[in-house]
Amino acid sequence: DQQVKQNSPSLSVQEGRISILNCDYTNSMFDYFLWYKKYPAEGPTFLISISSIKDKNEDGRFTVFLNKSAKHLSLHIVPSQPGDSAVYFCAASPGGYQKVTFGTGTKLQVIP
Amino acid sequence: EAEVAQSPRYKITEKSQAVAFWCDPISGHATLYWYRQILGQGPELLVQFQDESVVDDSQLPKDRFSAERLKGVDSTLKIQPAELGDSAMYLCASSSLPPGGTEAFFGQGTRLTVV
Repeated sequence: DQQVKQNSPSLSVQEGRISILNCDYTNSMFDYFLWYKKYPAEGPTFLISISSIKDKNEDGRFTVFLNKSAKHLSLHIVPSQPGDSAVYFCAASPGGYQKVTFGTGTKLQVIP
Repeated sequence: EAEVAQSPRYKITEKSQAVAFWCDPISGHATLYWYRQILGQGPELLVQFQDESVVDDSQLPKDRFSAERLKGVDSTLKIQPAELGDSAMYLCASSSLPPGGTEAFFGQGTRLTVV
């Protein structure tokens, strides 16, 4: 049972344009959402997070939007840069000491 | 910059052999996680420690996997006996707060190949 779904395995975007990565979840108990970025041969690194009391969180070129009614979140990267090419994982947790569940990832390629 | 240390980076072992991975979290981080990532999938939590106590090991195959964090600092994950299906990346992560309150910092992982 995949509680966090990233339905697009890959995405290609031109440098300077917007990248939009999508994530859907099924568990209504999820209260905290995170995005991680992973380069080959490295562990994931934290990018940005959002709690369910918000619908938007912004950090520089990265913005995460949360639509609780649709159980959907998205990560916007603008402008996209070649260094953003990586696998992006969406993750979610009910909060507290309960575990974080990861999606399957979306491989982003930013074309110079 | 503080980071999570893992060793070895790569491990090749024959099936039915024992294998062990080591993790040293960021100093002061009370929460430690072991994840397994199979190619093309996201990280899956195997075990979560809060200090030296196991908080969640519901996805740990306890017939062959064991994990310990004796002094609440570094941790060891063991597989005995290894099976072909255990080939994966094993990631250790740590955080200073409960997982729902902050992000986790990941190590570079151990790539296990069982032959």
